[in-house]
Amino acid sequence: NAGVMQNPRHLVRRRGQEARLRCSPMKGHSHVYWYRQLPEEGLKFMVYLQKENIIDESGMPKERFSAEFPKEGPSILRIQQVVRGDSAAYFCASSPGQGGNQPQHFGDGTRLSIL
Amino acid sequence: AQTVTQSQPEMSVQEAETVTLSCTYDTSESDYYLFWYKQPPSRQMILVIRQEAYKQQNATENRFSVNFQKAAKSFSLKISDSQLGDAAMYFCAFSGRNGNKLVFGAGTILRVKS
Repeated sequence: NAGVMQNPRHLVRRRGQEARLRCSPMKGHSHVYWYRQLPEEGLKFMVYLQKENIIDESGMPKERFSAEFPKEGPSILRIQQVVRGDSAAYFCASSPGQGGNQPQHFGDGTRLSIL
Repeated sequence: AQTVTQSQPEMSVQEAETVTLSCTYDTSESDYYLFWYKQPPSRQMILVIRQEAYKQQNATENRFSVNFQKAAKSFSLKISDSQLGDAAMYFCAFSGRNGNKLVFGAGTILRVKS
């Protein structure tokens, strides 16, 4: 039973390019969460999605960042016109339902480096 | 808004000894969940233990146990018989009953000495 799958594991982009990060939740999980971890810091919530719906995007920067979780396929976190400050580890988590009694299972993360 | 505070940036423990990592939190909710996650050098996020606020009994998972003090809003992690593989960053996290997101502390680096 595969866990949460994120790809790529490492992504290098030049300033101004676009970054696309993918997340396939665990089988049977329809709730996806994205977190960002800056160097030497804890994880910060970005966005919570269910299939085809954004439920909570209170942690997303207002510009350049977007997320989707289509009916078919993985969830995508998209960063347009990347800047050096976007360099971070981006983690995806999934759960079978909503609520604190549904623990979130994390992927291995995508390390984004901006040159 | 909920906040989670880990006041120990770094801790050390001798192999086979016991160590306690501290965590305090702030919330106005009465029903919530608390977690400890481990992040080894590989940087995976691994769930170590979970506590439900309405349960008075402290959670235990093998060598890992918590001391949950609801009135004091304290949630410490005790690791018994420490092993070299326990060396990692440990994050305390909070989730409200609706569980839309986890709020993490800044983390504590645990070093295990042989």
